[in-house]
Amino acid sequence: GQSLEQPSEVTAVEGAIVQINCTYQTSGFYGLSWYQQHDGGAPTFLSYNALDGLEETGRFSSFLSRSDSYGYLLLQELQMKDSASYFCAVRALGNTPLVFGKGTRLSVIA
Amino acid sequence: DTEVTQTPKHLVMGMTNKKSLKCEQHMGHRAMYWYKQKAKKPPELMFVYSYEKLSINESVPSRFSPECPNSSLLNLHLHALQPEDSALYLCASSHYTGQSSGGYTFGSGTRLTVV
Repeated sequence: GQSLEQPSEVTAVEGAIVQINCTYQTSGFYGLSWYQQHDGGAPTFLSYNALDGLEETGRFSSFLSRSDSYGYLLLQELQMKDSASYFCAVRALGNTPLVFGKGTRLSVIA
Repeated sequence: DTEVTQTPKHLVMGMTNKKSLKCEQHMGHRAMYWYKQKAKKPPELMFVYSYEKLSINESVPSRFSPECPNSSLLNLHLHALQPEDSALYLCASSHYTGQSSGGYTFGSGTRLTVV
């Protein structure tokens, strides 16, 4: 099976940069995904890393290191609307669905 | 159309009721999923349909019965639920189940309360 670990809560100041880490254990997987979920809302796909390295999409970047079983989501120029839960997720090799980490609750404060 | 539409948005049902949750997508996705999510927890997989066939049932109690009438529709039939089944039920779709595509598109969910 797969397991993913991420911090349960992170607090950061508006305008700052925050990094949410995700470590995982899986025997093989296609890539690491990140989802954002606001309270009462649906998870929204943010990014996907199939290969090692950094992927950048606007204010959000995601990183993967397969050799370290580690990835992170980097949020820059934080805005209040970025307050949400962030989930890392993997899909193991074969015909398997996404498995989510427990989620990190990000609170952006003024 | 890049959305997954779920109805109803809210549902309150008694333990003896029968109700159904509906999910629809028109993105040509051939994999569809039901997830259950409790407050402050990650989504928990219930069922996977791949090309309209049930491919994964995560040992879900039989009081939850999924159905995939066609490639665009996914239903979840509910019968004799328990109060602990109260949760947000999320439908999602994706292009594949086993390939490298990373993105699932989620519906906004049905907030279910069992009384």
